[in-house]
Amino acid sequence: KNQVEQSPQSLIILEGKNCTLQCNYTVSPFSNLRWYKQDTGRGPVSLTIMTFSENTKSNGRYTATLDADTKQSSLHITASQLSDSASYICVVSVVSGTYKYIFGTGTRLKVLA
Amino acid sequence: DSGVTQTPKHLITATGQRVTLRCSPRSGDLSVYWYQQSLDQGLQFLIHYYNGEERAKGNILERFSAQQFPDLHSELNLSSLELGDSALYFCASSPTGTSGMHEQYFGPGTRLTVT
Repeated sequence: KNQVEQSPQSLIILEGKNCTLQCNYTVSPFSNLRWYKQDTGRGPVSLTIMTFSENTKSNGRYTATLDADTKQSSLHITASQLSDSASYICVVSVVSGTYKYIFGTGTRLKVLA
Repeated sequence: DSGVTQTPKHLITATGQRVTLRCSPRSGDLSVYWYQQSLDQGLQFLIHYYNGEERAKGNILERFSAQQFPDLHSELNLSSLELGDSALYFCASSPTGTSGMHEQYFGPGTRLTVT
């Protein structure tokens, strides 16, 4: 069964600290993996998109890694800011004839001053 | 602001009713995607249209249908509504019709409450 699992479910850190969010997937055949940031009540915003051949991709203070062999991805946030408080969602695309998106349930991050 | 617009912002209706949600993609984008986000299920992909044609289907119920019009706006029709259909419905758009590396730009969503 195609599944995307994220951990931790929620995380609280102090402003200025780093953190790493995890995403494990059992999806096949894999097309690409995306990380989104979603503020409460708003639409998700894309942070990174990676294919199976990419190991690392950065977007400012956000760095995503992908290990296609172990089917794991991580999102590292450096020098966190209060505005980083949001849900972070991992999405894997499946390609089989047509395609579909499998969403993780997200990690809710809260950054405290 | 992503450039994707959705109307209405909020919708309250009763069980058994039918509603239509509307989405206008970013200028120049040919693809429209619909997603449902409920509290207990997270985000789920419903359906994708490219230039008026259905491209991919996700977990869309038979009571739901969508279409994309020649001016590229899209509508999601939800009928015989049930309490469990209460959710945020997002529309996203992208320039092309593939599931490749193109970003999807999400609209602000329509919050549907079924009472």
